Amino acid sequence: NAGVTQTPKFRVLKTGQSMTLLCAQDMNHEYMYWYRQDPGMGLRLIHYSVGEGTTAKGEVPDGYNVSRLKKQNFLLGLESAAPSQTSVYFCASRWLPGELFFGEGSRLTVL
Amino acid sequence: AQSVTQLDSQVPVFEEAPVELRCNYSSSVSVYLFWYVQYPNQGLQLLLKYLSGSTLVKGINGFEAEFNKSQTSFHLRKPSVHISDTAEYFCAVYNAGNMLTFGGGTRLMVKP
Repeated sequence: NAGVTQTPKFRVLKTGQSMTLLCAQDMNHEYMYWYRQDPGMGLRLIHYSVGEGTTAKGEVPDGYNVSRLKKQNFLLGLESAAPSQTSVYFCASRWLPGELFFGEGSRLTVL
Repeated sequence: AQSVTQLDSQVPVFEEAPVELRCNYSSSVSVYLFWYVQYPNQGLQLLLKYLSGSTLVKGINGFEAEFNKSQTSFHLRKPSVHISDTAEYFCAVYNAGNMLTFGGGTRLMVKP
Protein backbone atom coordinates (compact mmCIF):
# COMPACT_ATOMS: atom_id res chain seq x y z
CA ASN A 1 0.00 0.00 0.00
CA ALA A 2 2.12 2.90 -1.30
CA GLY A 3 -0.19 5.86 -0.46
CA VAL A 4 1.56 9.04 -1.62
CA THR A 5 4.95 8.70 -3.28
CA GLN A 6 7.28 11.59 -4.07
CA THR A 7 10.29 11.52 -6.38
CA PRO A 8 13.07 12.45 -6.10
CA LYS A 9 13.67 12.48 -2.34
CA PHE A 10 16.76 14.67 -2.58
CA ARG A 11 17.98 17.10 -5.20
CA VAL A 12 20.65 19.77 -5.43
CA LEU A 13 20.29 22.47 -8.07
CA LYS A 14 22.27 25.48 -9.13
CA THR A 15 20.56 28.86 -9.33
CA GLY A 16 18.67 29.16 -12.60
CA GLN A 17 18.27 25.43 -13.24
CA SER A 18 14.87 23.84 -13.66
CA MET A 19 13.39 20.68 -12.23
CA THR A 20 10.15 18.80 -11.67
CA LEU A 21 8.97 17.01 -8.56
CA LEU A 22 6.57 14.15 -9.11
CA CYS A 23 3.82 13.12 -6.74
CA ALA A 24 1.81 9.94 -7.25
CA GLN A 25 -1.09 8.65 -5.16
CA ASP A 26 -2.86 5.32 -5.42
CA MET A 27 -5.93 6.13 -3.29
CA ASN A 28 -8.08 7.60 -6.09
CA HIS A 29 -8.22 10.96 -4.30
CA GLU A 30 -9.59 13.97 -6.14
CA TYR A 31 -7.72 16.62 -4.16
CA MET A 32 -3.95 16.99 -4.23
CA TYR A 33 -1.65 19.59 -2.68
CA TRP A 34 1.94 20.80 -2.75
CA TYR A 35 3.34 22.37 0.43
CA ARG A 36 6.75 23.65 1.36
CA GLN A 37 8.11 23.33 4.88
CA ASP A 38 10.59 25.79 6.31
CA PRO A 39 11.83 25.98 9.93
CA GLY A 40 9.44 27.86 12.19
CA MET A 41 6.96 28.53 9.40
CA GLY A 42 5.03 25.31 9.37
CA LEU A 43 3.74 24.18 6.02
CA ARG A 44 2.71 26.71 3.40
CA LEU A 45 0.50 25.80 0.49
CA ILE A 46 2.03 26.36 -2.95
CA HIS A 47 -0.61 25.02 -5.35
CA TYR A 48 -3.43 22.56 -5.19
CA SER A 49 -5.78 20.66 -7.46
CA VAL A 50 -9.42 19.68 -6.98
CA GLY A 51 -9.40 17.14 -9.77
CA GLU A 52 -7.79 15.98 -12.99
CA GLY A 53 -7.03 18.89 -15.29
CA THR A 54 -7.49 21.56 -12.59
CA THR A 55 -4.99 23.60 -10.59
CA ALA A 56 -5.23 26.57 -8.26
CA LYS A 57 -2.82 28.89 -6.44
CA GLY A 58 -2.17 28.58 -2.76
CA GLU A 59 -0.44 30.91 -0.34
CA VAL A 60 3.03 31.00 -1.95
CA PRO A 61 2.70 30.16 -5.68
CA ASP A 62 5.33 32.49 -7.16
CA GLY A 63 8.19 30.71 -8.90
CA TYR A 64 6.32 27.41 -9.18
CA ASN A 65 4.07 25.78 -11.75
CA VAL A 66 1.97 22.64 -11.48
CA SER A 67 0.12 20.22 -13.70
CA ARG A 68 -2.47 17.51 -13.08
CA LEU A 69 -2.79 15.67 -16.38
CA LYS A 70 -3.70 12.39 -14.69
CA LYS A 71 -5.78 11.98 -11.55
CA GLN A 72 -3.08 10.06 -9.73
CA ASN A 73 -0.20 12.44 -10.51
CA PHE A 74 0.53 16.02 -9.47
CA LEU A 75 3.72 17.62 -10.75
CA LEU A 76 5.49 20.62 -9.26
CA GLY A 77 7.90 22.51 -11.48
CA LEU A 78 10.56 25.12 -10.86
CA GLU A 79 11.49 26.88 -14.08
CA SER A 80 14.41 28.90 -12.73
CA ALA A 81 15.43 27.83 -9.25
CA ALA A 82 16.46 30.41 -6.65
CA PRO A 83 18.17 29.92 -3.26
CA SER A 84 14.91 31.04 -1.57
CA GLN A 85 13.33 27.84 -2.89
CA THR A 86 15.63 25.69 -0.77
CA SER A 87 13.10 23.79 1.31
CA VAL A 88 11.43 20.47 1.98
CA TYR A 89 8.48 19.92 -0.31
CA PHE A 90 5.52 17.76 0.65
CA CYS A 91 2.78 16.44 -1.53
CA ALA A 92 -0.54 15.39 -0.05
CA SER A 93 -3.88 14.07 -1.20
CA ARG A 94 -7.28 13.73 0.38
CA TRP A 95 -10.80 12.49 0.15
CA LEU A 96 -12.36 13.97 3.28
CA PRO A 97 -11.96 17.72 4.07
CA GLY A 98 -8.80 18.42 6.03
CA GLU A 99 -7.71 14.79 6.30
CA LEU A 100 -4.56 14.80 4.23
CA PHE A 101 -2.26 11.91 3.43
CA PHE A 102 1.32 13.09 3.01
CA GLY A 103 4.30 11.80 1.13
CA GLU A 104 7.68 11.54 2.83
CA GLY A 105 8.96 14.78 1.38
CA SER A 106 11.51 15.95 -1.17
CA ARG A 107 14.48 17.91 0.10
CA LEU A 108 15.65 20.52 -2.40
CA THR A 109 18.80 22.60 -2.07
CA VAL A 110 19.46 25.47 -4.47
CA LEU A 111 23.03 26.72 -4.50
CA ALA B 1 -8.38 34.86 5.92
CA GLN B 2 -7.60 32.30 8.56
CA SER B 3 -4.46 31.84 10.59
CA VAL B 4 -3.12 29.42 13.16
CA THR B 5 -0.77 30.29 16.01
CA GLN B 6 1.14 27.71 17.98
CA LEU B 7 2.40 29.57 20.99
CA ASP B 8 5.38 27.37 21.81
CA SER B 9 8.03 26.46 19.26
CA GLN B 10 9.60 23.89 21.61
CA VAL B 11 8.27 22.04 24.63
CA PRO B 12 10.72 19.96 26.69
CA VAL B 13 9.15 17.50 29.09
CA PHE B 14 10.23 14.48 31.10
CA GLU B 15 8.96 11.02 30.27
CA GLU B 16 5.65 10.12 31.99
CA ALA B 17 4.85 13.79 32.66
CA PRO B 18 1.71 15.44 31.24
CA VAL B 19 1.97 17.83 28.33
CA GLU B 20 -0.16 20.49 26.66
CA LEU B 21 0.61 21.97 23.26
CA ARG B 22 -1.23 25.19 22.63
CA CYS B 23 -2.99 26.26 19.45
CA ASN B 24 -5.09 29.33 18.70
CA TYR B 25 -6.78 30.10 15.42
CA SER B 26 -8.55 32.98 13.79
CA SER B 27 -11.33 32.57 11.28
CA SER B 28 -14.49 34.44 10.45
CA VAL B 29 -16.36 31.25 9.57
CA SER B 30 -16.91 27.84 11.03
CA VAL B 31 -13.89 25.63 10.69
CA TYR B 32 -12.68 22.12 11.10
CA LEU B 33 -9.61 21.70 13.32
CA PHE B 34 -6.82 19.17 13.16
CA TRP B 35 -3.59 18.11 14.80
CA TYR B 36 -0.91 16.40 12.77
CA VAL B 37 2.33 14.78 13.95
CA GLN B 38 5.62 14.61 12.07
CA TYR B 39 8.30 12.15 13.16
CA PRO B 40 11.88 12.83 12.04
CA ASN B 41 12.41 12.55 8.28
CA GLN B 42 8.80 11.61 7.64
CA GLY B 43 5.67 13.22 6.30
CA LEU B 44 2.81 14.39 8.50
CA GLN B 45 0.21 12.01 9.93
CA LEU B 46 -3.24 12.88 11.20
CA LEU B 47 -3.41 12.70 15.00
CA LEU B 48 -6.99 13.84 15.60
CA LYS B 49 -9.73 16.07 14.25
CA TYR B 50 -12.65 18.21 15.39
CA LEU B 51 -15.53 18.58 12.98
CA SER B 52 -18.54 19.19 15.23
CA GLY B 53 -20.24 17.83 18.33
CA SER B 54 -18.35 17.05 21.50
CA THR B 55 -15.62 19.59 22.16
CA LEU B 56 -13.27 16.94 23.55
CA VAL B 57 -11.84 14.73 20.85
CA LYS B 58 -9.58 11.74 21.21
CA GLY B 59 -6.90 10.71 18.77
CA ILE B 60 -4.25 8.10 18.31
CA ASN B 61 -1.45 7.33 20.77
CA GLY B 62 -3.41 8.60 23.80
CA PHE B 63 -3.63 12.24 22.66
CA GLU B 64 -6.73 14.36 23.05
CA ALA B 65 -7.69 17.94 22.26
CA GLU B 66 -10.36 20.33 23.41
CA PHE B 67 -12.12 22.81 21.14
CA ASN B 68 -12.95 26.11 22.84
CA LYS B 69 -14.97 28.34 20.56
CA SER B 70 -15.00 31.39 22.84
CA GLN B 71 -11.22 31.35 23.16
CA THR B 72 -10.68 30.13 19.58
CA SER B 73 -8.32 27.48 20.87
CA PHE B 74 -7.68 23.82 20.18
CA HIS B 75 -5.03 22.69 22.67
CA LEU B 76 -3.51 19.21 22.47
CA ARG B 77 -2.92 17.19 25.64
CA LYS B 78 -1.53 13.89 26.79
CA PRO B 79 -1.56 12.80 30.45
CA SER B 80 1.70 10.84 30.29
CA VAL B 81 4.21 11.13 27.46
CA HIS B 82 6.68 8.55 26.20
CA ILE B 83 10.04 8.92 24.54
CA SER B 84 8.38 7.81 21.31
CA ASP B 85 6.18 10.93 21.37
CA THR B 86 9.20 13.06 20.50
CA ALA B 87 8.16 14.71 17.25
CA GLU B 88 6.89 17.95 15.78
CA TYR B 89 3.19 18.67 16.14
CA PHE B 90 1.17 20.89 13.85
CA CYS B 91 -2.22 22.43 14.43
CA ALA B 92 -4.28 23.12 11.31
CA VAL B 93 -7.58 24.73 10.35
CA TYR B 94 -9.74 23.93 7.35
CA ASN B 95 -12.63 25.91 5.92
CA ALA B 96 -14.74 25.61 2.80
CA GLY B 97 -11.99 27.09 0.64
CA ASN B 98 -10.40 23.67 0.13
CA MET B 99 -7.23 24.75 1.90
CA LEU B 100 -5.71 23.49 5.12
CA THR B 101 -3.72 26.19 6.94
CA PHE B 102 -1.00 25.05 9.34
CA GLY B 103 0.55 26.64 12.37
CA GLY B 104 4.30 26.99 12.72
CA GLY B 105 4.68 23.74 14.63
CA THR B 106 5.72 22.76 18.16
CA ARG B 107 8.66 20.48 18.73
CA LEU B 108 7.94 18.14 21.63
CA MET B 109 11.13 16.84 23.22
CA VAL B 110 10.59 14.03 25.72
CA LYS B 111 13.54 13.44 28.01
CA PRO B 112 14.22 10.27 30.00
